[in-house]
Amino acid sequence: AQSVTQLGSHVSVSEGALVLLRCNYSSSVPPYLFWYVQYPNQGLQLLLKYTSAATLVKGINGFEAEFKKSETSFHLTKPSAHMSDAAEYFCAVRSYNNNDMRFGAGTRLTVKP
Amino acid sequence: DTGVSQNPRHKITKRGQNVTFRCDPISEHNRLYWYRQTLGQGPEFLTYFQNEAQLEKSRLLSDRFSAERPKGSFSTLEIQRTEQGDSAMYLCASHRGGLADTQYFGPGTRLTVL
Repeated sequence: AQSVTQLGSHVSVSEGALVLLRCNYSSSVPPYLFWYVQYPNQGLQLLLKYTSAATLVKGINGFEAEFKKSETSFHLTKPSAHMSDAAEYFCAVRSYNNNDMRFGAGTRLTVKP
Repeated sequence: DTGVSQNPRHKITKRGQNVTFRCDPISEHNRLYWYRQTLGQGPEFLTYFQNEAQLEKSRLLSDRFSAERPKGSFSTLEIQRTEQGDSAMYLCASHRGGLADTQYFGPGTRLTVL
């Protein structure tokens, strides 16, 4: 069965600092991996996804993530945090033979001025 | 706005009452999903439709829960005899098809059971 672990339920960075949100996955077959962002009282919005093409994936709002098979990781990064990046971030995994998408518990990002 | 709408946005009900939520997906999307999200957790898969056929149900979906998508367009999720443990955000998502395709999420319906 596939699963996702997000290390760190809360991450706090200063405005302008590097953002690094960690995600490790478990899947017995090649996975599709996703990062979503959720603002308060809203649904989830896709930031980026990995679908077995390029291992470095660029998304919206300056975010990117790198698929590392050897480390079973898909960490999300952004070079310079902005106040508007404060939100909850979810990593998700789905395998090519399964409709069930599994989400991590989420990481709440706080950006300090 | 992703194009997926959900109604109502908020529902407060008393324990034991029945509630029904509606999801309107993006019109050309034939796949529709329901998820439940509790505080501090990620969304958990409940059920999935391809057109009008309900193809998968999670073990989380007890007998008190039923979902329909009668014409392959909008979907409803009904919870009978609500319990306090049903309090959560119920999210709907849709996509065109293909497991690599993006799921577009609605804003959710927040259910509070008193």
